[in-house]
Amino acid sequence: QQKVQQSPESLIVPEGGMASLNCTSSDRNVDYFWWYRQHSGKSPKMLMSIFSNGEKEEGRFTVHLNKASLHTSLHIRDSQPSDSALYLCAASMTGNTGKLIFGLGTTLQVQP
Amino acid sequence: EAAVTQSPRNKVTVTGGNVTLSCRQTNSHNYMYWYRQDTGHGLRLIHYSYGAGNLQIGDVPDGYKATRTTQEDFFLLLELASPSQTSLYFCASMDWGETLYFGSGTRLTVL
Repeated sequence: QQKVQQSPESLIVPEGGMASLNCTSSDRNVDYFWWYRQHSGKSPKMLMSIFSNGEKEEGRFTVHLNKASLHTSLHIRDSQPSDSALYLCAASMTGNTGKLIFGLGTTLQVQP
Repeated sequence: EAAVTQSPRNKVTVTGGNVTLSCRQTNSHNYMYWYRQDTGHGLRLIHYSYGAGNLQIGDVPDGYKATRTTQEDFFLLLELASPSQTSLYFCASMDWGETLYFGSGTRLTVL
């Protein structure tokens, strides 16, 4: 079973719309979460990280974290065609410095 | 931005062949990683290292060896390659904030 589960598997939103992506861990030892973005044919690049309960905003991107439920979500407002990509959620385990576990990802398509 | 360079970009070999994938980072990061990426399986950790001479086992290590010769260089070795090892391989290094910086990837095909 995947320790990090992402939903939906794929998502289509219109240009200018809001995209919401979810990520949950089934492992109580998970500590921190990251969101990576991977454009087609490219390597993943870190988008945002969140380590404590609450919300973090950077431009059009907002991440939420609920540590009690080990759930994080990424919201992209005013989505642009350039946001079309594979979004990967990653988690690290308490005391397991340096090891990240990735989910399978959500493929986002923003239609002009 | 952190620089991680992988070589080769593409590699084709036959079943039973030996393959070495190379990775160099010039950011003085301690941690380096080898991942494989496959449709339906996502990014899976093969091996990682926290310094020269150190090796840690990842989640899918079978059929792979790795060696960290210097702070900069991390190699992935496939001895007796099999078609199941056909994949896109990424090397990465990690900074103190636990952000991963990925190389451009090596696409390996085992015929």
